[in-house]
Amino acid sequence: GDSVTQMEGPVTLSEEAFLTINCTYTATGYPSLFWYVQYPGEGLQLLLKATKADDKGSNKGFEATYRKETTSFHLEKGSVQVSDSAVYFCALTVRPAGGTSYGKLTFGQGTILTVHP
Amino acid sequence: EPEVTQTPSHQVTQMGQEVILRCVPISNHLYFYWYRQILGQKVEFLVSFYNNEISEKSEIFDDQFSVERPDGSNFTLKIRSTKLEDSAMYFCASSEARYQRGPQHFGDGTRLSIL
Repeated sequence: GDSVTQMEGPVTLSEEAFLTINCTYTATGYPSLFWYVQYPGEGLQLLLKATKADDKGSNKGFEATYRKETTSFHLEKGSVQVSDSAVYFCALTVRPAGGTSYGKLTFGQGTILTVHP
Repeated sequence: EPEVTQTPSHQVTQMGQEVILRCVPISNHLYFYWYRQILGQKVEFLVSFYNNEISEKSEIFDDQFSVERPDGSNFTLKIRSTKLEDSAMYFCASSEARYQRGPQHFGDGTRLSIL
């Protein structure tokens, strides 16, 4: 079945540090890839997405590139802020070849990011 | 910006009781979903709903669970006879279209605690 694996957390950084959160996947069809963020007490918000190989998703200084050859979608940010402290989820949805699926998301386990001033 | 709203934010229920979790999806969205997250575990898909019927469900979504869109705006998840292991955060989501054409928008969740 489809699955997503994220790097172990939590991750603790100082403000302005470089961030990488690793994400790899296995998928039976043609996946679209997403990063969602969950701030304390809130729901999941879409941070960025990529729908085909070599696409780069970007938003709010975060980037991730869909690498089909390494089945990866690592999240990066050049300079983190205290306000980036949250839980980050990598996820995929698969459009199966010849089959049907109604867009269910498969999530990784989430990575807690804490940024200190 | 339109958003998905869920009520209540926290529900405490005795084991064996029925519980209904409510969601108001974004008004022009056509696809609706429920997910749950047991504390410390992954967010897991429960069910998707389109055109007034279930389109896909997971193994978790057994006969104790049901979903309904009773009035064209609300989308509910009912658990008929709750068990301790149903304690989790339940998220509702909606999307305008499937797959990459329509990302899913999530509510803030309902924390369900079974005693």
